[in-house]
Amino acid sequence: DGGITQSPKYLFRKEGQNVTLSCEQNLNHDAMYWYRQDPGQGLRLIYYSQIVNDFQKGDIAEGYSVSREKKESFPLTVTSAQKNPTAFYLCASSGREGYQPQHFGDGTRLSIL
Amino acid sequence: GEDVEQSLFLSVREGDSSVINCTYTDSSSTYLYWYKQEPGAGLQLLTYIFSNMDMKQDQRLTVLLNKKDKHLSLRIADTQTGDSAIYFCAERENSGYSTLTFGKGTMLLVSP
Repeated sequence: DGGITQSPKYLFRKEGQNVTLSCEQNLNHDAMYWYRQDPGQGLRLIYYSQIVNDFQKGDIAEGYSVSREKKESFPLTVTSAQKNPTAFYLCASSGREGYQPQHFGDGTRLSIL
Repeated sequence: GEDVEQSLFLSVREGDSSVINCTYTDSSSTYLYWYKQEPGAGLQLLTYIFSNMDMKQDQRLTVLLNKKDKHLSLRIADTQTGDSAIYFCAERENSGYSTLTFGKGTMLLVSP
């Protein structure tokens, strides 16, 4: 089945540690996105990538980094500079044409130990 | 900048119709989407509508778009307990490869 796979489902971070969230898609989509969701909030865009080896900052990029070395993969690193990382992280992808909607993975919940 | 507003909570009885409302500010919005999120899960695309349409129907779902008032609604007919979830409205500009702007979501609670 085509879809978006995020792993792990749950992740714990110690103080001062960097952690990496995985996102893989087999939909042959050009664009990929990372969002952060906090309780009672909508989705806030962290980073997005429209093509391999290129990505742009979203609204809340500070404390996060990404890479896009392959079309299928868009990992997100939550660095120690992100002081409030506890949240639900969602990855999405979409086709190149403007009308094509974003499709989402099942999310990763990150907590601080 | 763009802004998308939704009411935060809606409670209905099983079998009734539910209407979830959304307003947006960007007049250049071309595509408008409704997503459903169940607890602990990602967002599931329900339906979408182009700004040159007034209405779209898909089984129990009806989307109405009032471009003049920048108002979008999602009607769920014969609401079931399985429809209990958070519903997000999102809009996308018609400016190349633009990103989505989401509302904060409406929590729908369906009671038996």
